[in-house]
Amino acid sequence: GQQVMQIPQYQHVQEGEDFTTYCNSSTTLSNIQWYKQRPGGHPVFLIQLVKSGEVKKQKRLTFQFGEAKKNSSLHITATQTTDVGTYFCAGPRGGFKTIFGAGTRLFVKA
Amino acid sequence: EPEVTQTPSHQVTQMGQEVILRCVPISNHLYFYWYRQILGQKVEFLVSFYNNEISEKSEIFDDQFSVERPDGSNFTLKIRSTKLEDSAMYFCASRRTWDSPYEQYFGPGTRLTVT
Repeated sequence: GQQVMQIPQYQHVQEGEDFTTYCNSSTTLSNIQWYKQRPGGHPVFLIQLVKSGEVKKQKRLTFQFGEAKKNSSLHITATQTTDVGTYFCAGPRGGFKTIFGAGTRLFVKA
Repeated sequence: EPEVTQTPSHQVTQMGQEVILRCVPISNHLYFYWYRQILGQKVEFLVSFYNNEISEKSEIFDDQFSVERPDGSNFTLKIRSTKLEDSAMYFCASRRTWDSPYEQYFGPGTRLTVT
């Protein structure tokens, strides 16, 4: 069945360093969504990407959707301690199912 | 800002007991979901619900699970006979439309502990 792989599983950075997480799907996705989950919290929607090659920015966060619509990345420039949490990509499978990647847990050291 | 609510926040139950987890989705949303997250692991899809019926379910969602929208506002997940491995955080989510935006709004979750 369709899988969504995400790497790395964990990333430790010093505050001010950049961070990137990568998401790969075994099949083409109609769209991809990114969520952030703070420790002890629930997933919160960050953004959706729909078009091939799409790039979107939210302040220090840059999201990309691959040309083949099978991979995506989230890049954070100059991390801050408020960026701590787990970042998940998610894509639709079939009609009504959403598959989440395993997530990348970001640790930021002040 | 409207939000999804879930009750209880924490439920402790004995193995073999029935539990009902409750959710109130955002009022004008049409699509509803239950997810499970075992501690430290990924968010796993359980079931989606639209127009008062299940639209899709995962392999995890076996005969022990059921969902209901009894009164047009609450959305419930029932586990008939809980097992130790059902211990997890259960999230309810809702979505306004089928087309874009695809954003799902998650509730704060119910932590289920089966002893």
